[in-house]
Amino acid sequence: AQSVSQHNHHVILSEAASLELGCNYSYGGTVNLFWYVQYPGQHLQLLLKYFSGDPLVKGIKGFEAEFIKSKFSFNLRKPSVQWSDTAEYFCAVTTIYNQGGKLIFGQGTELSVKP
Amino acid sequence: SAVISQKPSRDICQRGTSLTIQCQVDSQVTMMFWYRQQPGQSLTLIATANQGSEATYESGFVIDKFPISRPNLTFSTLTVSNMSPEDSSIYLCSVEAGYEQFFGPGTRLTVL
Repeated sequence: AQSVSQHNHHVILSEAASLELGCNYSYGGTVNLFWYVQYPGQHLQLLLKYFSGDPLVKGIKGFEAEFIKSKFSFNLRKPSVQWSDTAEYFCAVTTIYNQGGKLIFGQGTELSVKP
Repeated sequence: SAVISQKPSRDICQRGTSLTIQCQVDSQVTMMFWYRQQPGQSLTLIATANQGSEATYESGFVIDKFPISRPNLTFSTLTVSNMSPEDSSIYLCSVEAGYEQFFGPGTRLTVL
């Protein structure tokens, strides 16, 4: 079965530090990849997505992610985090076997940014 | 995009009772999804609800426990039946629009 793994459960950074959150998926075929963010008390919202083309995708609020097919990875990055980036981050994937928009989520990574 | 609202936003229920959660979308959508987010865990898909057909349930979820209605293209309900404390979770509705999924604010359910 397809699965998504996020390596870090809780990351604590100081403001201006660089961020990289790992995400790996298990599926050998075509995938669509997503990063979602859930700020405290708010809806889950889409940060960025990859369907095809340039493997380096840029999202909102200065986030970017790189799809490396050979490593089955889609890591999220931000060069300089802010206190307002404190949130939970979810990596998710859809594959040919769960078409129709069904998302498989990773376990989530809680990011705490110290001011 | 799509704007989704859910009712109730939270509830505290007694074991053995049932709760129906409503999901309203501001536009017509074909596919609606119900997810569960248990405390400290990720989101798990419960079922996919298409208008005019029976909901499709994921492994581990059954219609008797989580009956779903989808009477039109903007509305769906999920019922959590015969609740136990293990059903304490956040239940989220989502819709697909333009290859992107939009999520509702969730319903935080606590079962005593």
